Amino acid sequence: KNQVEQSPQSLIILEGKNCTLQCNYTVSPFSNLRWYKQDTGRGPVSLTIMTFSENTKSNGRYTATLDADTKQSSLHITASQLSDSASYICVVSLNYGGATNKLIFGTGTLLAVQP
Amino acid sequence: DVKVTQSSRYLVKRTGEKVFLECVQDMDHENMFWYRQDPGLGLRLIYFSYDVKMKEKGDIPEGYSVSREKKERFSLILESASTNQTSMYLCASSGGRYNEQFFGPGTRLTVL
Repeated sequence: KNQVEQSPQSLIILEGKNCTLQCNYTVSPFSNLRWYKQDTGRGPVSLTIMTFSENTKSNGRYTATLDADTKQSSLHITASQLSDSASYICVVSLNYGGATNKLIFGTGTLLAVQP
Repeated sequence: DVKVTQSSRYLVKRTGEKVFLECVQDMDHENMFWYRQDPGLGLRLIYFSYDVKMKEKGDIPEGYSVSREKKERFSLILESASTNQTSMYLCASSGGRYNEQFFGPGTRLTVL
């Protein structure tokens, strides 16, 4: 069964600290893995996309890693800010060929950054 | 920048009413999607469309229908709203190298 599992479910950290969010997946055939940030009451916004051959990608203070062998990804947030408080969703895209890929969504990690 | 807009941020309807949720994208994307998002369940695909007048069922199409008369516009229709359709509805369009999906701001629908 195609599944994406994220941990922890929720996390509280102090402003300025670093944190790492985890994503494990059992998805085949794999196309790419995406991390989205979703602010409360808003739509998800893409942070990174990684294909099978990429094992790290950065977007400012966000760094995503991918280990395709163990089917694990992590999102590391450096020097957290209050505005990082959001839900972070790991999404894996299946490759069936054709124009549209099927996406498998994790349920997200809810991050709260406190002053 | 890609922009996906949804007609309403918040909507309150009564059981049995017909509900239209509109979505418009400005990037000339072929593919458009409707999801619902519920706590603990993540995003679930309701319907998608890969071309004008074309539609495909997603994982949870029951109780919903869609319409795509123009490339930029994708509508979700609840023929007879029920309380279990209270949810956050997200529209997305996709394109580009990775077929990346760009989401709208969402519509929080409450059915009383």
